[in-house]
Amino acid sequence: EGQVVESGGGLVQPGGSLRLSCAASGFSFSSYWMRWVRQAPGKGLEWVANIKEDGSQKQYVDSVKGRFTISRDNTKNSLYLQMNSLRAEDTGLYSCARERGGDGAFDIWGQGTLVTVSS
Amino acid sequence: DIQMTQSPSTLSASVGDRVTITCRASQSISSWLAWYQQKPGKAPKLLIYKASSLETGVPSRFSGSGSGTEFTLTISSLQPDDFATYYCQQFHYWTFGQGTKVEIK
Repeated sequence: EGQVVESGGGLVQPGGSLRLSCAASGFSFSSYWMRWVRQAPGKGLEWVANIKEDGSQKQYVDSVKGRFTISRDNTKNSLYLQMNSLRAEDTGLYSCARERGGDGAFDIWGQGTLVTVSS
Repeated sequence: DIQMTQSPSTLSASVGDRVTITCRASQSISSWLAWYQQKPGKAPKLLIYKASSLETGVPSRFSGSGSGTEFTLTISSLQPDDFATYYCQQFHYWTFGQGTKVEIK
């Protein structure tokens, strides 16, 4: 049974940048698609971005395209989310999740790291 | 984009009740649907995958059904540990439903 642990959240002003990290352990990180999901305070879950096992494919929700970049370092078992031009509506808990191969389900989730965009 | 509409948004029920939550897709997603349970301050937990397959370790009182555009999550006999928020998710573009909060009646 693996786990993922996020870090890098914090308070940032509108227009600022943050880089989130997700450290994976207990499973073969390089064999899985990985995802970022966010949850605004008191709201539901929203998928943010995906990256293929080897980093060759990336997808983003429309609201973050051109501002966020997902990446990974399989040598460090780590996933990243570079967030630029942050807006108030980007505030929320950001979690990384593993997509289990074959059925698409997100079977391992982290506890998340909180991003607050405010002046 | 495929939209997911989950209902109801809130459900009040008692221990022992049979509970059903519905998720409708704006177009067919075959059986590419999962259900998650989330408790306050906790990460979501996978309950059901491929619409009707029970995740290992999840109690058998949880079941999923449906295909195409209409799906249901059923809890056959609600237990105290089941009071939580439930989300459906489709995998054509990973959209989640709005969530259903199951509250104590």
